[in-house]
Order: sequence, then structure tokens, then C-alpha cells
Amino acid sequence: DIQMTQSPSTLSAFVGDRVTITCRASQSINSWLAWFQQKPGKAPSLLIYKASSLESGVPSRFSGSGSGTEFTLTISSLQPDDFATYYCQQYKSYSRTFGQGTKVEIK
Amino acid sequence: QVQLQQWGAGLLKPSEALSLTCAVSGGSFSGYYWSWIRQSPGKGLEWIGEIHHSGTITYDPSLKSRVTISVDTSKNQFSLKLSSVTAADTAVYYCTRGGLQRPHVNWGQGTLVTVSS
Repeated sequence: DIQMTQSPSTLSAFVGDRVTITCRASQSINSWLAWFQQKPGKAPSLLIYKASSLESGVPSRFSGSGSGTEFTLTISSLQPDDFATYYCQQYKSYSRTFGQGTKVEIK
Repeated sequence: QVQLQQWGAGLLKPSEALSLTCAVSGGSFSGYYWSWIRQSPGKGLEWIGEIHHSGTITYDPSLKSRVTISVDTSKNQFSLKLSSVTAADTAVYYCTRGGLQRPHVNWGQGTLVTVSS
């Protein structure tokens, strides 16, 4: 199985901050990586696919980068609506795996 | 607009079988991957498995011996069965639709399944 490791587990930031979340794969997944946002009590929603492609309707302050084993999700200017938990998922292998999540909290 | 509506029993006893169904409306059933994902209380997301409309099925190795995902294209529905449940299977279960490039674009509302004696 491909293991996905996110860091940090929790992140405290101010509105307006630039925020970066990292996701590392235990082996190369090329660009087969997606990022999801989940708010409490809600289903997750797709933000980024193929490592850097922005899903339709997602604000442009979200961006993704990376390939191989190291990936980042960046929020250029954190907004109140962005406080949530973020997950990466690899979909290169037939057994898809998620990272453990990063909770973005208000500082 | 694609909608996924899911349902199934919410309270099970240990050793019983979990059964959930997800109905798709407003969109095509063919050409997509249909997945089940779960989330234990206060925990992260766990991918259970998926079925492609062509019939290809893959499961998470840790659950493979207990999981069956099937599809009924005539009803635009797909289903999850998980046998011999334990308390560790208590979770919110989600059904999703996605493509090869864009996974899990659409989500069901989630179903809380509690396993308790």
C-alpha cells in the first residue's frame, strides 16, 4: 500500500495568512493526488485534482503543486470560510489512500 | 445537477452485516468510478473500495475479505455490504462519484452506522 503522510496535523493561522500543507507519499504517485476540504458535519469536497488542477468553483486562492512523492496545498490568503480540515488522497494505486488530515484553526 | 442519495440501517449489532445503497440522479452512470468512503467519529477518511461502470472492482486490502460493492445500472444505484461488523466499523459512510482524473467529485449526504450490542 502507498502511505500518505500529511503535515502538520493542526495549523493555527490568522485570516489573511498564507498557509501551506504538505503531503508525502511513500512511493512515487506521479501527479495522481487530490486535495479535499471538510467542514464539521459535512461531506468533504474536492479542491484540487491531478496535484495542481483547480476544481471548478473553487476559489483561486487555493493552489496545489508537486509530483512524485511530495505535494503541497497552499491557501494564498486565508479566509474565514477556509477554517476546516484538509485531506490529500493518492489515486495512482488501485488501493486509494488518504492522508490523516490537517485541521486549520483560527489563531 | 448530480445528486447522490444514500440509505441503510443505522444501528447494527456485532457480527451483523452492514448494507448501504446509493442512488444517483441527474447524471450519467456510465464512465465513472463509484466509491465508498468512511469516517470513524473524530477520525480521518478511509477509502473502502470502488466499482467502475465497466465492472472493475477494487477494495482496500484491510477490508477486502468482508466487503462487497455492487452496482445495479437499471436503477442507477450501487451498494456496499460489509460482513461481520464490530464496533471498529462504527463510522459515517459516504458514497461518491468520480472520474479517472477527478476523484470523488460528488458525495452522498453520509450515513452514520453504529455497531453496538
